[in-house]
Amino acid sequence: DVKVTQSSRYLVKRTGEKVFLECVQDMDHENMFWYRQDPGLGLRLIYFSYDVKMKEKGDIPEGYSVSREKKERFSLILESASTNQTSMYLCASSRQGPSTDTQYFGPGTRLTVL
Amino acid sequence: AQSVTQLDSQVPVFEEAPVELRCNYSSSVSVYLFWYVQYPNQGLQLLLKYLSGSTLVESINGFEAEFNKSQTSFHLRKPSVHISDTAEYFCAVSEPGGYQKVTFGTGTKLQVIP
Repeated sequence: DVKVTQSSRYLVKRTGEKVFLECVQDMDHENMFWYRQDPGLGLRLIYFSYDVKMKEKGDIPEGYSVSREKKERFSLILESASTNQTSMYLCASSRQGPSTDTQYFGPGTRLTVL
Repeated sequence: AQSVTQLDSQVPVFEEAPVELRCNYSSSVSVYLFWYVQYPNQGLQLLLKYLSGSTLVESINGFEAEFNKSQTSFHLRKPSVHISDTAEYFCAVSEPGGYQKVTFGTGTKLQVIP
């Protein structure tokens, strides 16, 4: 089975801190994604990557950056955390190809910014 | 641009009763359609998907969805729900080609009442 793991289930940070969220997948998937999930808003795509060192902005990239130095690892970075970034963050991966492939999700990181 | 509408944010239903979760989409081209399920404290997992061919697709746990192009709908149904179906359900759409840009709906929480 595909496994996507995220470094923390719960995280509490202070305003202005630099925050790193890590995601690792073990199925040699080319594509990786970061979403945030908020009540009433569903999932919104922050960034995605289709290859090592490649990245594309999603729908809400402001305030975030990403890093993909290795195929299995995709990091989301909050350069200076703000309270409006309090949310559930979900990482996902999928095989390369047309838009038919299933995305496999990690369990999520619930981030609280105080 | 593609979009997905899930009009019902919450659906309470008694155990063993039938249920329908509604999903409508908009897109200027042909689409692929998905239903994902999120059980409490877990990430999302694929329930079923429509790519082409038969407009009726089924999951292994008794859910089915029918693609209706004229009504731009992809409603999810189950004839008899179980307590274990309590979860949040997300409809999603993607367009062929590109880097798997998937747009998710805002989710419907299904609460099965004993």
